[in-house]
Amino acid sequence: AQSVTQLGSHVSVSEGALVLLRCNYSSSVPPYLFWYVQYPNQGLQLLLKYTSAATLVKGINGFEAEFKKSETSFHLTKPSAHMSDAAEYFCAVSEGGNTPLVFGKGTRLSVIA
Amino acid sequence: NAGVTQTPKFQVLKTGQSMTLQCAQDMNHNSMYWYRQDPGMGLRLIYYSASEGTTDKGEVPNGYNVSRLNKREFSLRLESAAPSQTSVYFCASSVGWKNTEAFFGQGTRLTVV
Repeated sequence: AQSVTQLGSHVSVSEGALVLLRCNYSSSVPPYLFWYVQYPNQGLQLLLKYTSAATLVKGINGFEAEFKKSETSFHLTKPSAHMSDAAEYFCAVSEGGNTPLVFGKGTRLSVIA
Repeated sequence: NAGVTQTPKFQVLKTGQSMTLQCAQDMNHNSMYWYRQDPGMGLRLIYYSASEGTTDKGEVPNGYNVSRLNKREFSLRLESAAPSQTSVYFCASSVGWKNTEAFFGQGTRLTVV
């Protein structure tokens, strides 16, 4: 069965610093991988997704993630953090078809001025 | 487009009371899902409906029932609410075949006292 592990429940960075949120997955078949963002008191919004095309995926708000099969990882990065990036971020995996998404426990990102 | 609409947004129940959370999507999606979100637990799947007329249990189905009323609507029922069901509930939908990106509603914040 597929699963997701997000390393670090809380990450704090300075404004302008690199953002790195870690995600490792387990899947018995080539997976679909997703990053979602949740702002306070809101639903989840898709940041980006990997669906077996390019291994480097660009998303909204300057975020990107790289699929590394050998490391079973799909880490999320952004070169320069902005205050508005403060939110909770969820990595998710699906084995495709009608199988539902399985989410990690989330990483809360704080950005310090 | 409205996307995924959940009602109500907030609800307080007494232990033992019943209620139904409503969800509707206007994207002609085949698959619909109910998740609950608890601090430090991420999103956990309660039930899902891969297509109209089918429903399946997710990770945490106990204490809940669902109805896929038609392609648009997927409701979640709590027959006898318990304090452990205090949570934020999210409905989501996806096309359901190959493209498994899920779109989320804004959530229902439920408190059981």
